[in-house]
Amino acid sequence: EAQVTQNPRYLITVTGKKLTVTCSQNMNHEYMSWYRQDPGLGLRQIYYSMNVEVTDKGDVPEGYKVSRKEKRNFPLILESPSPNQTSLYFCASSLANRRQETQYFGPGTRLLVL
Amino acid sequence: AQSVTQLGSHVSVSEGALVLLRCNYSSSVPPYLFWYVQYPNQGLQLLLKYTSAATLVKGINGFEAEFKKSETSFHLTKPSAHMSDAAEYFCAVTRSDKIIFGKGTRLHILP
Repeated sequence: EAQVTQNPRYLITVTGKKLTVTCSQNMNHEYMSWYRQDPGLGLRQIYYSMNVEVTDKGDVPEGYKVSRKEKRNFPLILESPSPNQTSLYFCASSLANRRQETQYFGPGTRLLVL
Repeated sequence: AQSVTQLGSHVSVSEGALVLLRCNYSSSVPPYLFWYVQYPNQGLQLLLKYTSAATLVKGINGFEAEFKKSETSFHLTKPSAHMSDAAEYFCAVTRSDKIIFGKGTRLHILP
């Protein structure tokens, strides 16, 4: 089944404790991205990647890191999480970085930083 | 710069009534426009998209949207609401390297 998977789905952590949220897609998509969803703010892009070893900042990159060593994986790293990073996070992928492409979303990771 | 505005963060309709969710866009180039739906505890999935072919676009689950350039609108409609349509709906527009989402409209279906 074609899908985007994220792990973990739920995570509670404490301020400053490094964490990684994994994202993997099995559709051979070139383009992957991370979003955070907050009430009243919709989805905001954190980082995106147009292909292996190519990443760039989205609209809200502060406090996050990403890497794209393999085409299928695009982990999101929070090196020193803070409470303002409490949010719902989505990974998404698309076949290529073309304007008409459909984005395919993972199920989401709900993060609480205490 | 490209952006989208969704009018109404919450919309309530009775079961069987017309659903109308509003989206207006701004774009300096011919736009590509999307509607995504997010059911509770799930990720977003594509409902439909406009890619400069037909101005009336049909999507899944009986939804459709009409691109109106003169009004810079891409409103989402469904003739008869079902309880299963309760979800959050996002309009989106793409620019060269990103997709820009609206803030979302939560649709409530009243029995």
